[in-house]
Amino acid sequence: ETGVTQTPRHLVMGMTNKKSLKCEQHLGHNAMYWYKQSAKKPLELMFVYSLEERVENNSVPSRFSPECPNSSHLFLHLHTLQPEDSALYLCASSQDLGVTTQYFGPGTRLTVL
Amino acid sequence: SQQGEEDPQALSIQEGENATMNCSYKTSINNLQWYRQNSGRGLVHLILIRSNEREKHSGRLRVTLDTSKKSSSLLITASRAADTASYFCATVTQGGSEKLVFGKGTKLTVNP
Repeated sequence: ETGVTQTPRHLVMGMTNKKSLKCEQHLGHNAMYWYKQSAKKPLELMFVYSLEERVENNSVPSRFSPECPNSSHLFLHLHTLQPEDSALYLCASSQDLGVTTQYFGPGTRLTVL
Repeated sequence: SQQGEEDPQALSIQEGENATMNCSYKTSINNLQWYRQNSGRGLVHLILIRSNEREKHSGRLRVTLDTSKKSSSLLITASRAADTASYFCATVTQGGSEKLVFGKGTKLTVNP
């Protein structure tokens, strides 16, 4: 839809599993973001990357580990998650950091059992 | 931290009616953006209004910004069932970190 794709779209995992979320943007953007969206809470910014360098880490627990191998790809590695980590995880990109519009992927619906 | 707060939290109208959603924020902003989200999907950017602008139009959308009251409104005219979605305002703080801070959103239902 918007040039940002996310896989998988749905993921169910146990607390002892290790999994990864993948995001790819086809827009030639330089900045990429991970957000967490829980029910009845505002969108929470988790990580920000600009030109493959992490520029923000919003006090996210270490069980979430981001990776940005190049400006088009962003991963979120998950391990030993808790049930309260169940949420919609959204990836976004923007041309550059700053006051620009962000383009979102469709999200990964994560359920932690 | 939450910057924008949308009001109302939920709005239900009939097709053809206008829908107005409001957003209030706390600190000086560089710009304010409105996004739309269909159930369980990603957000789609609708419109951006800069701090030195007072009104902006895009199709059936009209956004106003009152920096003295730290508030913005989104008006959708002649609503359609397909407008059913959640609408979020997001602000970029002036002089602060260059990130979007989202509100909790207004859930709009347009009944056919």
